[in-house]
Amino acid sequence: AQTVTQSQPEMSVQEAETVTLSCTYDTSESNYYLFWYKQPPSRQMILVIRQEAYKQQNATENRFSVNFQKAAKSFSLKISDSQLGDTAMYFCAFMTHQGGSNYKLTFGKGTLLTVNP
Amino acid sequence: DTGVSQDPRHKITKRGQNVTFRCDPISEHNRLYWYRQTLGQGPEFLTYFQNEAQLEKSRLLSDRFSAERPKGSFSTLEIQRTEQGDSAMYLCASSLVREKLFFGSGTQLSVL
Repeated sequence: AQTVTQSQPEMSVQEAETVTLSCTYDTSESNYYLFWYKQPPSRQMILVIRQEAYKQQNATENRFSVNFQKAAKSFSLKISDSQLGDTAMYFCAFMTHQGGSNYKLTFGKGTLLTVNP
Repeated sequence: DTGVSQDPRHKITKRGQNVTFRCDPISEHNRLYWYRQTLGQGPEFLTYFQNEAQLEKSRLLSDRFSAERPKGSFSTLEIQRTEQGDSAMYLCASSLVREKLFFGSGTQLSVL
């Protein structure tokens, strides 16, 4: 079974600075998806960024980028120019690409990010 | 695209009572998922529908839990004889393709 580990329960950053959230995962598969989701106080899970394991290029979405290290099974999220609205729980998640359960997301426990003014 | 809608937002019930939650997915999304999130944890998969067919149920879903998706549109999740351990947020998500899920805001259940 796949596992996702987020070792930082809480982090804080000053507005306009850069912060990196860590995620490691364990799988024996070679092809899969990795995700970062944001859950603000409104509770709705919002997709921040997605990476396909077979793509070597790191995904980028505006101020959000990832550092995907497949051999190390590491998938960190970098937030540049942090904004107050980035304050939220951030969850790393894994989805297998193959087999009968290729629709299930496996989530980490989350990192609470606080952006301070 | 009005998003995934869940009702109610909050539910407080007494132990032993039955509760039912509703999820309205994004129209034209044929895939629908239920997840459960407890305090301090990430969401955990409960069940998955493709159209009206329930294709998988997690072992987290005891016999007291039942989910339906009649006609492949909205879905309901019912918990019978609620227990305090059922207290959690129940999240619904829908998708057209499996790797792009849209989540609702969840139903927060408190069992007293």
